[in-house]
Amino acid sequence: QSALTQPPSASGSPGQSVTISCTGTSSDVGGYNYVSWYQHHPGKAPKLLLYEVTKRPSGVPDRFSGSKSGNTASLTVSGLQAEDEADYYCSSYAGSNNLGVFGTGTKVTVL
Amino acid sequence: QITLKESGPTLVKPTQTLTLTCIFSGFSLRTDEVGVGWIRQPPEKALEWLALIYWDNDKRYSPSLKSRLTITKDTSKNQVVLTMTNMDPLDTATYYCAHRRGGTSWADYWGQGTLVTVSS
Repeated sequence: QSALTQPPSASGSPGQSVTISCTGTSSDVGGYNYVSWYQHHPGKAPKLLLYEVTKRPSGVPDRFSGSKSGNTASLTVSGLQAEDEADYYCSSYAGSNNLGVFGTGTKVTVL
Repeated sequence: QITLKESGPTLVKPTQTLTLTCIFSGFSLRTDEVGVGWIRQPPEKALEWLALIYWDNDKRYSPSLKSRLTITKDTSKNQVVLTMTNMDPLDTATYYCAHRRGGTSWADYWGQGTLVTVSS
């Protein structure tokens, strides 16, 4: 199972929005509404931001939103804040014989 | 509050067996639908699920690594152990354990990870 494709980097100024794409295939992203997103500050535990494409766990600000079209999912971070500077990873269900597949990761820089 | 913490050797030699322990709190592996899994990330590469174990001792493995992996749980100690045999320098990675509910495909709580280097 190949990793999902994300852009290596993205950036924006405080208050702006940044959108990260996550491209897979019809066997993963396109086949199920089970895309999740994680935020990772190096040295800390990764944090679940979104699951089932658009759902936010309790405590995750609504500045983080998700969508999906075809084989590509997207994470949008609105109203960028300094603490949003981190690595972001997508993940998708990929069938019952697979534990799931992750994206290649995107480093978000707040300018 | 759910927490997980990985422990194990930082350096292993090629061909050796790696044993990693995940100690968790804030939940029990006696509870229905609860699972704990292992994920790794080699330097500059993508994250990869390795193995999962559920409350009912159902075990799932990455198809590509299944022959080298064993996952077990000690419910009384709130621990999950992963062993990986025949380690290779390509197995150098940060290894994470994570909480995952049955019927879902996401890890809702993670440990901070432990870096394992494979080198002679």
